[in-house]
Amino acid sequence: QSALTQPASVSGSPGQSITISCTGTSSDVGDYNYVSWYQQHPGKAPKLMIYDVIKRPSGVSHRFSGSKSGNTASLTISGIQADDEAYYYCSSYSNSITWVFGGGTKLTVL
Amino acid sequence: QVQLQQSGPGLVKPSQTLSLTCAISGDSVSTTTAAWNWIRQSPSGGLEWLGRTYYRSMWYNDYAESVRSRIAIKPDTSKNQFSLQLNSVTPEDTAVYYCARNHQLLLPFEWWGQGTLVTVSS
Repeated sequence: QSALTQPASVSGSPGQSITISCTGTSSDVGDYNYVSWYQQHPGKAPKLMIYDVIKRPSGVSHRFSGSKSGNTASLTISGIQADDEAYYYCSSYSNSITWVFGGGTKLTVL
Repeated sequence: QVQLQQSGPGLVKPSQTLSLTCAISGDSVSTTTAAWNWIRQSPSGGLEWLGRTYYRSMWYNDYAESVRSRIAIKPDTSKNQFSLQLNSVTPEDTAVYYCARNHQLLLPFEWWGQGTLVTVSS
């Protein structure tokens, strides 16, 4: 069982916006602004998409954005495209000096 | 550009030791800013951080509680690499294992190895 809770799946049609939630506790998501999001295509290593809740690494599309309220962080993808179809994982630093992850959300582009 | 190249066996027998190595190019294992991590992904897909090693005038390690009693992550400065040893493995340790770097302790994992599927089976 993963430390952070994500929906198992979300879906949307091309051009729509989708949001994936990530719920933790006051010991991780709620206590730190060190929430990150990773995209993973089958057979590949995860790719960093968002870090420090809202920051985008160089080269990541502006269609990806992050936010946080209390113990829940969110990833929003606007104008979804076919190649956005992948698994998305959230992660947070925790006060046990470790990193915790969510169970992953499969994004299906209809 | 940092590159991480993993090596090690893909099959380990129960009760034995899982050993993997991550060779680093484009950076130094002895850097005083980054940390070197091991993360695994279970067959069901969940990611689990296992631990890290890093150098700040001396070597430090942090480990996940779930594996703390049987894990060791060690740097090898002569070969610019680091390793994972996980003792007393069971079938529940079957996973894809990744090495990963974060540029600073509280930054996320921006560079990953290619992943190694390790199956624990007799």
